[in-house]
Amino acid sequence: KAGVTQTPRYLIKTRGQQVTLSCSPISGHRSVSWYQQTPGQGLQFLFEYFSETQRNKGNFPGRFSGRQFSNSRSEMNVSTLELGDSALYLCASSLLGGSPLHFGNGTRLTVT
Amino acid sequence: GENVEQHPSTLSVQEGDSAVIKCTYSDSASNYFPWYKQELGKRPQLIIDIRSNVGEKKDQRIAVTLNKTAKHFSLHITETQPEDSAVYFCAASPEGNKLTFGTGTQLKVEL
Repeated sequence: KAGVTQTPRYLIKTRGQQVTLSCSPISGHRSVSWYQQTPGQGLQFLFEYFSETQRNKGNFPGRFSGRQFSNSRSEMNVSTLELGDSALYLCASSLLGGSPLHFGNGTRLTVT
Repeated sequence: GENVEQHPSTLSVQEGDSAVIKCTYSDSASNYFPWYKQELGKRPQLIIDIRSNVGEKKDQRIAVTLNKTAKHFSLHITETQPEDSAVYFCAASPEGNKLTFGTGTQLKVEL
C-alpha cells in the first residue's frame, strides 16, 4: 500500500507570494492533518480534515488555510508568505480521527 | 491547551545499553500518546503508541509506560543498536489527530 504522498518536495518562494501544497493520503484513510516543522518551534499542528470538514485548527494565522476533497486528498495554502514560514510542512493521514498518524516525506518550503 | 515537555534533549549511549526518554503532559484530557522516530532528512515514523487505559506496552526492544496520575510517559529502548540513532518525539492528544509534540531527543548510539 502506497504511503502518504506530498508534492512538491521542495519549493522556493519570495515574501508576499502564496503557495499551495498537496497531500495524497494512504488509500482508505479519511483523516488528513498538517504539521509545520522548524528547528526553533519543533512540530506544530496546523489543522485536521475529516470527510472534507475541518475538524481541528492549531494556533496559526488566517494566512494558513486548507481543504480536503471528496477523494480525501488535501491541499494547504499559505498566502502573503513571510520569511518565518520557511519550514518543512508535513502531511499525515489516519484511518479515522484518533487512530495512528502516518506522515509523508514533507514539502520543504523556503521563503526568500 | 496541551503542553508536552521532553527530556533529555540529547542522549548518548553505548551500543547494547538501554535508553530512556521521558515526557510530561499538562492536559488531563489527553488520552493518546504516540512516539515517533525521525532520521535525518526523513519523515517521522510511528514506533509505538499507548492509550490512557493501558499502563505499559511493549514491542520487541521498545516499550512505553504511562502514569496518568503523574501525567508522564516514557520510552524505553533496550539493547540499543547504531540504527536506533535518530531524533525521537513524544506527543499527546486529547482529541482526534491534534497532536502536541515534545521538543525531541537526539539519541546517539555509539559503537
